[in-house]
Amino acid sequence: AQSVTQLGSHVSVSEGALVLLRCNYSSSVPPYLFWYVQYPNQGLQLLLKYTSAATLVKGINGFEAEFKKSETSFHLTKPSAHMSDAAEYFCAVTPRGGYGNKLVFGAGTILRVKS
Amino acid sequence: EAGVTQFPSHSVIEKGQTVTLRCDPISGHDNLYWYRRVMGKEIKFLLHFVKESKQDESGMPNNRFLAERTGGTYSTLKVQPAELEDSGVYFCASSLAVSSYNEQFFGPGTRLTVL
Repeated sequence: AQSVTQLGSHVSVSEGALVLLRCNYSSSVPPYLFWYVQYPNQGLQLLLKYTSAATLVKGINGFEAEFKKSETSFHLTKPSAHMSDAAEYFCAVTPRGGYGNKLVFGAGTILRVKS
Repeated sequence: EAGVTQFPSHSVIEKGQTVTLRCDPISGHDNLYWYRRVMGKEIKFLLHFVKESKQDESGMPNNRFLAERTGGTYSTLKVQPAELEDSGVYFCASSLAVSSYNEQFFGPGTRLTVL
């Protein structure tokens, strides 16, 4: 069964600093990979997804993630944190092919941005 | 365009009572998913509807949970009788197509507390 590991349940950065949220997956075949963000009292919103084209994926709000097959990783980065980035971030995967696309999520990482 | 809506936003019930959660997907989305997040843990898949048919209900915890989607529009998730371990946030998501890489749009969730 596929699984997703997000290293660090809480990450704290200063405003303007680099944001790095880690995600590793376990799957013999690289899955489709997603990063979602949840702001308080809102639903999950898709930040970006990797489906098999370029390994560096750009998303909304200045976020990007790089797929590294050799490391089974899909870490999320943003060069300069903004206060509005404070939220909970979820990495998720779904297997390629087949029918249906139930997502398998990591445990989430709460990002705190300090002024 | 309205997003995925869920009702109620919060529900507090006693153990042994019944609760029904409702999800209205984005208009025209044939695919509807239910997920659950128990406190401090991962968001986990419960089931997937394609129109009114259950495509995958492998994540349903037990037969106290009953999901329906009559007419292929809104869906309900009934828990009867509720147990303490059913507490958590129940998310609904919808998508236009069922391919593995298609974005799922999430609602804000229903926070269920069983006392």
